Amino acid sequence: QVQLQESGPGLVKPSQTLSLTCTVSDDSVNYDKYYWSWIRQPAGKGLEWIGHFYVTGSTSYDPSLQSRLSMSLDTSKNEFSLRLNSVTAADTAIYYCARVRSGGPGPRGFYYYIDVWGRGISVTVS
Amino acid sequence: DIQVTQSPSSLSASVGDRVAIICRASQGIINYVNWYQHQPGKVPRVLISGPSTLESGVPSRFSASGSGTDFTLTISSLQREDSATYYCQQTYRTPWTFGQGTRVEI
Repeated sequence: QVQLQESGPGLVKPSQTLSLTCTVSDDSVNYDKYYWSWIRQPAGKGLEWIGHFYVTGSTSYDPSLQSRLSMSLDTSKNEFSLRLNSVTAADTAIYYCARVRSGGPGPRGFYYYIDVWGRGISVTVS
Repeated sequence: DIQVTQSPSSLSASVGDRVAIICRASQGIINYVNWYQHQPGKVPRVLISGPSTLESGVPSRFSASGSGTDFTLTISSLQREDSATYYCQQTYRTPWTFGQGTRVEI
């Protein structure tokens, strides 16, 4: 059973860089069947899609975060990472890493959905 | 970006009730919609993925319908363990936006 585990600091100072890592067990981040994604949830609010990374190196980021965001894959450690620069209090949230898989072909490209989530890591910017 | 609006934002219903949650996209997304359940203290889980595919282990009382801009998640007979927040997500175009969530109380 594949498992994802987030790690990183729970507290980050404003204007600094948030770095999170997601370690993948019982699966390979090098497998071209999946995207690897980050989602966050600010306290009392809903889920926010941050972006995803594919093994080929292609990425897709939320436009509101794109100028501050980068994602990467470390196949030797079987993990993927998120870096968010110049954080503010608005970046305080629970951050989830997730696996995205294809649900098969559709009329306009493949269907995709999140099938595995990490347990989440709480990050406070203060 | 494609905006996704859910309604209602919260609802209260009784065991056995039929419940419907609406998701409306700001533009046509065919049927590229997923539905997730998020219970307090737990990790979100997918209930239904596009196009209206019930995921393994999800009770058959959950179903989804719709196409274009309007979508519905229906719980045919609400159970106590269905108390959660439900989210729709469009994957028609990045960014893959979520609705703001619907909190269901029993």
